[in-house]
Formats: sequence, structure tokens, C-alpha cells
Amino acid sequence: DVKVTQSSRYLVKRTGEKVFLECVQDMDHENMFWYRQDPGLGLRLIYFSYDVKMKEKGDIPEGYSVSREKKERFSLILESASTNQTSMYLCASTDYYNEQFFGPGTRLTVL
Amino acid sequence: EDQVTQSPEALRLQEGESSSLNCSYTVSGLRGLFWYRQDPGKGPEFLFTLYSAGEEKEKERLKATLTKKESFLHITAPKPEDSATYLCAVPGGSYIPTFGRGTSLIVHP
Repeated sequence: DVKVTQSSRYLVKRTGEKVFLECVQDMDHENMFWYRQDPGLGLRLIYFSYDVKMKEKGDIPEGYSVSREKKERFSLILESASTNQTSMYLCASTDYYNEQFFGPGTRLTVL
Repeated sequence: EDQVTQSPEALRLQEGESSSLNCSYTVSGLRGLFWYRQDPGKGPEFLFTLYSAGEEKEKERLKATLTKKESFLHITAPKPEDSATYLCAVPGGSYIPTFGRGTSLIVHP
């Protein structure tokens, strides 16, 4: 079974802190994605990566950056957390058939 | 631009009351359609992929069908444990899927 894991299920941070969210997949998938999910807004793509050290902006990249130094690991960085970044963050990886496999999610609260 | 619209937004059923969820799509060239189930506070879980009109896939009480313009997720004799949000998506260019907003299903015992 494909396994996508995320570093934390719940996270509470203060405004202005730098936040790191990590995602690891164990199926050698090339494509990895970060989304945020908010009530009424659905899934919104923040960044994606189709190879090591490669990244592409999604629909809402402002305030975020990413890092992919190894194929299995894709990190999302909030440079200076703000209250409007309180959300559920979901990581996913994609197989050859473009089927996305999601991690359990990180519920981030910024105070 | 690819578009995916799901209806209804929310659906309440009694246990055993069969119904269908709709996913209509507009794409330049269909490369498949995906269905996911998402439980509250968790990541979406992959259910099905459909590739061509007329194709059907089944899993327990769920059956997904596909036409040239829409897909249906039929739920037969649902149970409370089928309560979840159901998402559909189509793969787009650059490996990026377009997701619908989802249908929130609640099945009452």
C-alpha cells in the first residue's frame, strides 16, 4: 500500500514563527503536492514538485515556500506564519496513473 | 480550463435509502476521473478511477459510473459508516488534478 506520512497531525504556532511541515512518501512517486483545505473553499494547491529540487507554484503560493532535496520528502515552509494560514494542510503524491494518494493532514492553528 | 462541479453540496439519507452523487466535468480531453472519500479531519482516500464513458466500478455499497459529461457515485442501502465527504477530480495538464468541492453525505441510523 502507498503510504504518505506527515510530520504532525496537529500544530499550534504563533504569528511570525517559521513553520515547517514535512511529508514523506514510500512509493518512489515523482510528483508531490501540497494543498490547503478550508471549509467552503475545497482543496487549493499551494505548490507541487515533479522531481527532486524542482518546484512549481500552484494557485495560492504567497506566504509559502517548499523544499524537495530527496525524492521521497517534500517540505512546506511558512516563512512567517499569519492567522490566515490557519488551515488543514494536505500532502499528496501521484502514481503513474495520476491517482493522488494523500497523507493524514496537519491541522495548523496560528495564534 | 478544466472544471468540476459536484452536486448536491450536502445530502442526508436514512440508513438503507439509496441515492446518487453527481460530478459533472468540462475538460479538453478526458484522461480519467477519480473519486475519493474523505472522513472529517483526515486526508482523502482514493476510491476509483474511471477512464472511458460507459465504464463502471464497484466497491461494497458504492458504484461509480461515467458518461461523456458526468460521473455518478451510486450508494446502495447506505450505512452510517458511509457518512463522509466524497470528492471527484479530473487529471489536468502538468499532473495537476482539478477537484470538485465535494458532497457531504450523512447517513442517519
